Amino acid sequence: NAGVTQTPKFQVLKTGQSMTLQCAQDMNHEYMSWYRQDPGMGLRLIHYSVGAGITDQGEVPNGYNVSRSTTEDFPLRLLSAAPSQTSVYFCASSYSGKGTSYNEQFFGPGTRLTVL
Amino acid sequence: DAKTTQPNSMESNEEEPVHLPCNHSTISGTDYIHWYRQLPSQGPEYVIHGLTSNVNNRMASLAIAEDRKSSTLILHRATLRDAAVYYCILGKFSSGSARQLTFGSGTQLTVLP
Repeated sequence: NAGVTQTPKFQVLKTGQSMTLQCAQDMNHEYMSWYRQDPGMGLRLIHYSVGAGITDQGEVPNGYNVSRSTTEDFPLRLLSAAPSQTSVYFCASSYSGKGTSYNEQFFGPGTRLTVL
Repeated sequence: DAKTTQPNSMESNEEEPVHLPCNHSTISGTDYIHWYRQLPSQGPEYVIHGLTSNVNNRMASLAIAEDRKSSTLILHRATLRDAAVYYCILGKFSSGSARQLTFGSGTQLTVLP
């Protein structure tokens, strides 16, 4: 299994440009999420999805859109990039298992985004 | 949401045990204690979790105070590869999935050769 993959690894945008960060997982996980990590800080949840066709907002959703058309993919779209969105973006996935089994989150390697 | 308090940084010598503390005095009865770590330039990875009893796995041990207001992650024999930021996180355990984790700033562990 490749696990959670993210592309691109690095990206530089100009203010106002739009782009899509890609995230894919091959573990058949129902739950996927996007976090951002600013320098010296912990991760903050942007959006998450509990399955195909279902998404919801996290702690810091403004300026980002998501969709979940397949179980495998969960792209994050920046509508009009701003310097405040300069950050490292991590995608994560886990089972949404029933019962009492614990399902940890698996994180991708991250995308480093700079907005000028 | 219940908060956690961790030291900003800790040092350990290679091949010695490391005890990473976490205070969570406002923990609720349904909060699990999760530990993740983040190696340099990588995404976080799961380490261990627990509710009331001490827990062991291949990576570490988790010791939980009887009143659950604090916990300690124990690395039994630190290696250079264990140098990372360690996050202590409280979270619900709903529908069998530890979702919507709220990361603090964690503890930067330095392992000295």
